[in-house]
Amino acid sequence: EPEVTQTPSHQVTQMGQEVILRCVPISNHLYFYWYRQILGQKVEFLVSFYNNEISEKSEIFDDQFSVERPDGSNFTLKIRSTKLEDSAMYFCASTLLGNQPQHFGDGTRLSIL
Amino acid sequence: RKEVEQDPGPFNVPEGATVAFNCTYSNSASQSFFWYRQDCRKEPKLLMSVYSSGNEDGRFTAQLNRASQYISLLIRDSKLSDSATYLCVVNNAGNNRKLIWGLGTSLAVNP
Repeated sequence: EPEVTQTPSHQVTQMGQEVILRCVPISNHLYFYWYRQILGQKVEFLVSFYNNEISEKSEIFDDQFSVERPDGSNFTLKIRSTKLEDSAMYFCASTLLGNQPQHFGDGTRLSIL
Repeated sequence: RKEVEQDPGPFNVPEGATVAFNCTYSNSASQSFFWYRQDCRKEPKLLMSVYSSGNEDGRFTAQLNRASQYISLLIRDSKLSDSATYLCVVNNAGNNRKLIWGLGTSLAVNP
């Protein structure tokens, strides 16, 4: 069964550094998402991406965050200047059609020191 | 009112018990509804979609009441492997298709 893959599985970074989290969505999917989950808290929507542009972003997704789909297969989340509170699990998801269930990657655990 | 609200539990039940989880959502225009399961420090995994007519998948039964904006999940004959957090998820109306998540209900099935 096709899967969403995310790399790295764990990223440790100094505060203030830039990080790029990578995702390869399922190949024929059209909608892409990033979510995050701080330890012990609920999953939170960050951003949705369709037709090569952001379709919605949450309040969390401020100017420090950006997304790209550089080559038709990868979908990346960049955090420009990381803060301690960015420490969380970051999940990428994709779906073919909007109302279908979203398929999640294993997540990247981001630890900011 | 929270967008998606669930009883956080924890629910502690013996093997073989029947357990029911409830969820309410605030946006009456919500279009799609799901139950996801999440194991500790793992990604959410789709358990089942929830349809207005109700749907069943083995030991799991999901119900949707649009008038009351209420979703339920029933697990029959619970197994040790059912221990996890169960997340009620709503897909809002509009083009963005983002998922709105409940905090989750924690289930521990004990031998």
